[in-house]
Amino acid sequence: DTGVSQDPRHKITKRGQNVTFRCDPISEHNRLYWYRQTLGQGPEFLTYFQNEAQLEKSRLLSDRFSAERPKGSFSTLEIQRTEQGDSAMYLCASNAGLAGSSYEQYFGPGTRLTVT
Amino acid sequence: QKEVEQNSGPLSVPEGAIASLNCTYSDRGSQSFFWYRQYSGKSPELIMSIYSNGDKEDGRFTAQLNKASQYVSLLIRDSQPSDSATYLCAELIYNTDKLIFGTGTRLQVFP
Repeated sequence: DTGVSQDPRHKITKRGQNVTFRCDPISEHNRLYWYRQTLGQGPEFLTYFQNEAQLEKSRLLSDRFSAERPKGSFSTLEIQRTEQGDSAMYLCASNAGLAGSSYEQYFGPGTRLTVT
Repeated sequence: QKEVEQNSGPLSVPEGAIASLNCTYSDRGSQSFFWYRQYSGKSPELIMSIYSNGDKEDGRFTAQLNKASQYVSLLIRDSQPSDSATYLCAELIYNTDKLIFGTGTRLQVFP
C-alpha cells in the first residue's frame, strides 16, 4: 500500500496524559498536513510542512500541540496534558507540493483520540 | 473569516437518479476546489478537483465551478446505494496551502 499511513488508528488516554501520533506520507510527497475533525464537522487545518520546515500553524492551535517532521519524511503530532476537548479524529494528508502539478491532498486513515 | 457552506442534508435520492450537491464559498481569491467523500468512521477520500470555471467530468461524477457566483457543485449520475456517504466541499485558500472544509452534506441513496 503506497498511501498515507497513520499510527495508531485508535488511542484512548486519560485527561492530563501526553499522546503522540505518527504519519507517513505518500512516498516522495514533500508536503504534509495535519487536520482535526470532530463529529459533524469538516476537517480543520492544524499545521503543515514543506519537507522538514513547518510553514504554517493554525492560530487556533493550543501551545499544548506540537508537530515535527525532522527528516522531511514522517511526521509526529504530540498533544501534551490532554483535555476532553481534544477528543477527535486527527487526520494527516500529503501532497506532491512543488514537485507536483496539482494541489490535491490525500488523507490517511486517521487516528481517533478519545480522552476520558 | 473564510467559510465554505454546505447544506447538511440528508439529501435522499432513489437509486439511478442524479444527486446534486452544492457548496458556496466566501474567498473571492480562491482558485482551487475539491470534493471529498467520507464514509462513516472513515477518512475523507478525494473524488474531484476543479480549478477552472465550467464543468469537469470523471465517470459518474461532474464538478461545476462558477467563480462569479462563488459556488461549486457536484453531480452524481446513476446514484448507487454505495454512494451513500457525507460529501465534503473544500477550497484551497488563495496564497496559502491549507484547505478550508464545509461541514459536509449527507447523501442517502435508497434502493
